[in-house]
This record gives sequence, C-alpha cells and structure tokens, in this order.
Amino acid sequence: EVQLVESGGGLVQPGGSLRLSCAASGFDFNIHYMTWVRQAPGKGLESVAKITPDGSAQFYVDSVRGRFTVSRDNAKKSLYLQMNNLRAEDTAVYYCAQEHWFRTAYWGQGTLVTVSS
Amino acid sequence: QSGLTQPPSASGSPGQSVTISCTGTSSDVGGYNYVSWYQQHPGKAPKLMIYEVTKRPSGVPDRFSGSKSGNTASLTVSGLQAEDEADYYCSSRGVSDNVMFGGGTKLTVL
Repeated sequence: EVQLVESGGGLVQPGGSLRLSCAASGFDFNIHYMTWVRQAPGKGLESVAKITPDGSAQFYVDSVRGRFTVSRDNAKKSLYLQMNNLRAEDTAVYYCAQEHWFRTAYWGQGTLVTVSS
Repeated sequence: QSGLTQPPSASGSPGQSVTISCTGTSSDVGGYNYVSWYQQHPGKAPKLMIYEVTKRPSGVPDRFSGSKSGNTASLTVSGLQAEDEADYYCSSRGVSDNVMFGGGTKLTVL
C-alpha cells in the first residue's frame, strides 16, 4: 500500500523558516517525480514544487522560487521542502504527492503551515 | 503561470447528469492530453478521478467520464449520488512541464 506521511508543519512568524518532510512507502520511490501541492484555507490547489526522480532538477511556481527548496533522499525514501522567508500568503495545507505523467494518484494527508505574528 | 478556469459551482438532483468545464489555453489544456480531474471532500486529500483526459483509475465508478474539445476539458458525472457532493479540480500539464490547477468547482447534489 502506498503511503505518504508529511510532518514539520506548524506556526511560524513572517520571515521565518520551516522544513517539511514526507516519508514514502509502498512504491519504488527512486523512480518517481515527487511534488508538493498546497491549499490555502478555503482556496484551491496549487502545485508549489516538483523534483525529478534522481533529484537533479527542480521546478517551482513563481511565487516561491528563490524562497523554497525541494529535495529528496532516495535512500531514506523521503521528500523535503525547505521554506524560507515565509509570508502570510504561504499559509496552507501542504500535501506531498507522487506525480506520474502529470497526474497525482497518491497524496499524503497534508500538514498545516500557518504564517502569522 | 495563470490557473485554469472552472465555474465556482454546479448542481444537480440525484440521478441526473452534471458537466463541469475547465478552460485553459493552447499552451496547456489544448496542447497536451494530460488533463486530470480530482475530487476532494472537506478535510480530505484530493482523489484522482480522471487522468489523460478520459481514463479512469481502478476503482473510480464509470459514472465519471472526461472529455476535451480544443482548450476546454470537461468532467461529466452521470447518475448523481449524494456522495458525489464535493469539490472538483481539473489540472493540466503546462509549459515547462509544470502542472496547473483550476480554481475548483463545488458540486452540490440537490
């Protein structure tokens, strides 16, 4: 059974940093693109960052480029999202997901990030 | 990186059919057959319902179907049931291999 379990969310002040983690199991982690998708309260879905299977390339939405860094450790079957210089508009549930040919069949349960003073 | 356009709401009575549209451009919806649809119930993670415009993952009822014409994709739910009430999001491959989502449509079963 595919499982994706996020951790690391919480309350952080504007300008602060947070690192999200996602532990994967039940599939060959090292051959799949992985992505972070977020959902602000009461809003829609937004693909934030994506990383290739070997970690050699990353893709970011314009609003987080230069502030967020996606990485992975295939030996640990883990995905990460380092978020720096956080803004109020980054407040959202962040989902870890497996992307396969531009679709996401497997999602984690999400972790809430709240940016507020 | 503008999103895809969906109607904010749709509704239908049990047993009826409802169609939700998703409009993009020739650089996303119209340019690739990588349109997906997701169902999301409150407080839950999204669930993949349709991928590559018309394909259904295992376990998704055949009441759900997808199509595309030009820059607009559509999700049709036939034989509406109470449990179909949820938010529905479309997504598409975009330029630079990104994935873009629609704003979501709240489906109400009357």
